[in-house]
Amino acid sequence: NAGVTQTPKFQVLKTGQSMTLQCAQDMNHNSMYWYRQDPGMGLRLIYYSASEGTTDKGEVPNGYNVSRLNKREFSLRLESAAPSQTSVYFCASSEGPAIPEAFFGQGTRLTVV
Amino acid sequence: GQSLEQPSEVTAVEGAIVQINCTYQTSGFYGLSWYQQHDGGAPTFLSYNALDGLEETGRFSSFLSRSDSYGYLLLQELQMKDSASYFCAVSLSGGYQKVTFGTGTKLQVIP
Repeated sequence: NAGVTQTPKFQVLKTGQSMTLQCAQDMNHNSMYWYRQDPGMGLRLIYYSASEGTTDKGEVPNGYNVSRLNKREFSLRLESAAPSQTSVYFCASSEGPAIPEAFFGQGTRLTVV
Repeated sequence: GQSLEQPSEVTAVEGAIVQINCTYQTSGFYGLSWYQQHDGGAPTFLSYNALDGLEETGRFSSFLSRSDSYGYLLLQELQMKDSASYFCAVSLSGGYQKVTFGTGTKLQVIP
């Protein structure tokens, strides 16, 4: 039972490069989320998808785009990476919107140089 | 807007009891949950309170007072493995429909 799987686990990008972070869950959850975690800042919501076919901005959406490809997959794209986007990115899922128990992937550690 | 406040660091002795507080200001409050995160790991769900009162799960308990916009996580019989960061998170309903996290409390358990 894999839960939430994120790829890649580590990535180094040059400023201006683009990349997509992949996330898939096998728990048949309706809602999925992307967070970034920076030292002293906790987890900040970038984008979320309350259900398949919908996406909404979170607290820090600038510089990111998302795609809810199907019920299982929710990807996060950085179109032109900036050093300020150096962070640890977590994908999470829950049975539904505002359901308190969210399951997290192991994170992607991204460095932009 | 929304805000959650919790202490940045707490130190406690192995075998003791520690309380981590969380105050919040939100619109559309639905409930308060707690997560644990070890260094380098992913957050994992601990507990949830939608109603006022105390919820107990083994050594961990969580409390909520909706009228005071306040909650806490109580850890009893502390073990070294409890050294981790603890996040409170609010579930929001209505037009928000998401979970928003606090900045976390780093708990250090010392012998």
